[in-house]
Amino acid sequence: GQSLEQPSEVTAVEGAIVQINCTYQTSGFYGLSWYQQHDGGAPTFLSYNALDGLEETGRFSSFLSRSDSYGYLLLQELQMKDSASYFCAVRAMKGGYNKLIFGAGTRLAVHP
Amino acid sequence: NAGVTQTPKFRVLKTGQSMTLLCAQDMNHEYMYWYRQDPGMGLRLIHYSVGEGTTAKGEVPDGYNVSRLKKQNFLLGLESAAPSQTSVYFCASSNQGGSNQPQHFGDGTRLSIL
Repeated sequence: GQSLEQPSEVTAVEGAIVQINCTYQTSGFYGLSWYQQHDGGAPTFLSYNALDGLEETGRFSSFLSRSDSYGYLLLQELQMKDSASYFCAVRAMKGGYNKLIFGAGTRLAVHP
Repeated sequence: NAGVTQTPKFRVLKTGQSMTLLCAQDMNHEYMYWYRQDPGMGLRLIHYSVGEGTTAKGEVPDGYNVSRLKKQNFLLGLESAAPSQTSVYFCASSNQGGSNQPQHFGDGTRLSIL
């Protein structure tokens, strides 16, 4: 089956850098995605990694190591508005179609 | 540009009642999904559709039915609501089911079953 592990909570201060890790166990792996969700809001897509290495999009970067079944989301120059839940999700083949399987989420609290 | 629209936003039901959650997308996406989100459990896939007229089961399909009669709409039905179905329901769509295709989510429907 598929499983993903990520920390339940992370706390950081404004202006700092924070890394949210995600380890996964799955068959038929296609890629690792990250989504952001503010309280009461909808999940929104942040990044996708299909190959090993680092993908950078502004203040956010995402890393994947397929051999280690591991990835992380790196948030730099943290701002108060970055306080949200962050979900890693693996795209894996299941039941004939590839689907997104979500982790339980990491709640990031940014303090002044 | 509305994106993905879910109705209603909130609903309270009594055990045994039935209802339908509506999802509409205006992006001409082929794939549509219904998820439920419970505290500490992330998003779990209930049912999905890879195109008009097709539906398939996800991780937690029991107690739900779906229909995709039109490409832009994906309906989620609860035939006989149970307290265990109290949750936040999200609809999503994507251009394809491909690996690099992001899913676009609606704002959610908060459903309470008493």
